[in-house]
Amino acid sequence: QKEVEQDPGPLSVPEGAIVSLNCTYSNSAFQYFMWYRQYSRKGPELLMYTYSSGNKEDGRFTAQVDKSSKYISLFIRDSQPSDSATYLCAMPDSSYKLIFGSGTRLLVRP
Amino acid sequence: DGGITQSPKYLFRKEGQNVTLSCEQNLNHDAMYWYRQDPGQGLRLIYYSQIVNDFQKGDIAEGYSVSREKKESFPLTVTSAQKNPTAFYLCASSPQGADGYTFGSGTRLTVV
Repeated sequence: QKEVEQDPGPLSVPEGAIVSLNCTYSNSAFQYFMWYRQYSRKGPELLMYTYSSGNKEDGRFTAQVDKSSKYISLFIRDSQPSDSATYLCAMPDSSYKLIFGSGTRLLVRP
Repeated sequence: DGGITQSPKYLFRKEGQNVTLSCEQNLNHDAMYWYRQDPGQGLRLIYYSQIVNDFQKGDIAEGYSVSREKKESFPLTVTSAQKNPTAFYLCASSPQGADGYTFGSGTRLTVV
């Protein structure tokens, strides 16, 4: 079993839809959680970073963490074609190396 | 502007040749990392270095080598021992601690 599991998609939604992207993890020691966005043929960029359980909002993006279920989510409101990318969840292990999910490919149709 | 630079963007290699991918950062980050990305497999860690003159193997180090002689630079050599080197290679850096990584824009290596 991988430490971090993520549905690879692709996930195709119409413009304006609410998107939900999810990851599960197995190691209860993980304390920090990150979401990266990667456009095609580019390096990933840090989108959101959260530590505690609950929600964190940044514009159209909301990161949600449920440590009791070992489940994290990224919600995108009013999705735009420019949101089309691969989204990777990540969390640092005890030596601060990031463990990445395999990424979910999102396509927002105009 | 601070950032992390990978070069070249595209690289072609003949079978049996070694090739070196460049990674330079001016963020004053202590730690640097090399990842390989294949379709549908996410990011796999090749090597990482948390301090100058020291580095550790990641999950898929076989057929690769690195050096860390300067804080700013962490070159990756893909040797002829790497059986399937065609992939997208990403370099990243981070300050010590749990902060996120800054990634370069990647090098796409193709064996011809």
